[in-house]
Amino acid sequence: DAGITQSPRHKVTETGTPVTLRCHQTENHRYMYWYRQDPGHGLRLIHYSYGVKDTDKGEVSDGYSVSRSKTEDFLLTLESATSSQTSVYFCAISESFRAEGYTFGSGTRLTVV
Amino acid sequence: AQSVTQLDSQVPVFEEAPVELRCNYSSSVSVYLFWYVQYPNQGLQLLLKYLSGSTLVKGINGFEAEFNKSQTSFHLRKPSVHISDTAEYFCAVWNTGNQFYFGTGTSLTVIP
Repeated sequence: DAGITQSPRHKVTETGTPVTLRCHQTENHRYMYWYRQDPGHGLRLIHYSYGVKDTDKGEVSDGYSVSRSKTEDFLLTLESATSSQTSVYFCAISESFRAEGYTFGSGTRLTVV
Repeated sequence: AQSVTQLDSQVPVFEEAPVELRCNYSSSVSVYLFWYVQYPNQGLQLLLKYLSGSTLVKGINGFEAEFNKSQTSFHLRKPSVHISDTAEYFCAVWNTGNQFYFGTGTSLTVIP
């Protein structure tokens, strides 16, 4: 996972609290993505970014917001965490909007109690 | 919407035996096909990909996959597995709508 770092790696939070996950890249790639991974569902796209301040929704965006103020950082925020958002969250980056260039981070395991 | 079906959620296999992990997708329109591997507590790593050309694709760690357009399949194979191949494997499809669709994963366990 060279060039892409997710923080924190693990987090336990209470229902109703805000949570922010961070994805940091050193590759200067234009595209960044947030996925969630759940048993029986594979990976599902939450939001993605195609440049600084340019973001769009994915398949499961409800309850999540994102921000990208710098090329290297893509933040995922759960405004008010719910138990259904307990999941493993993966960030990915790509140089172009083509599938072949995806690099994934190591993931953040979030538990909402 | 595109769907990706991995027919086996768990595959146990003895060390040095061959293995096939099956993947079918829903649409026959122009697609790119991928297999990713996820080792415990790690992110996904690209094993191999089919973009065009030869339907038999070779990837890392001795894996290969064959694209079958008529059967909309992209099965992953390895002639002889090792303990280190124990991992979760994901099939993924990228279509002309510029979005990745992932299967639900197949857990491969190699038994000594």
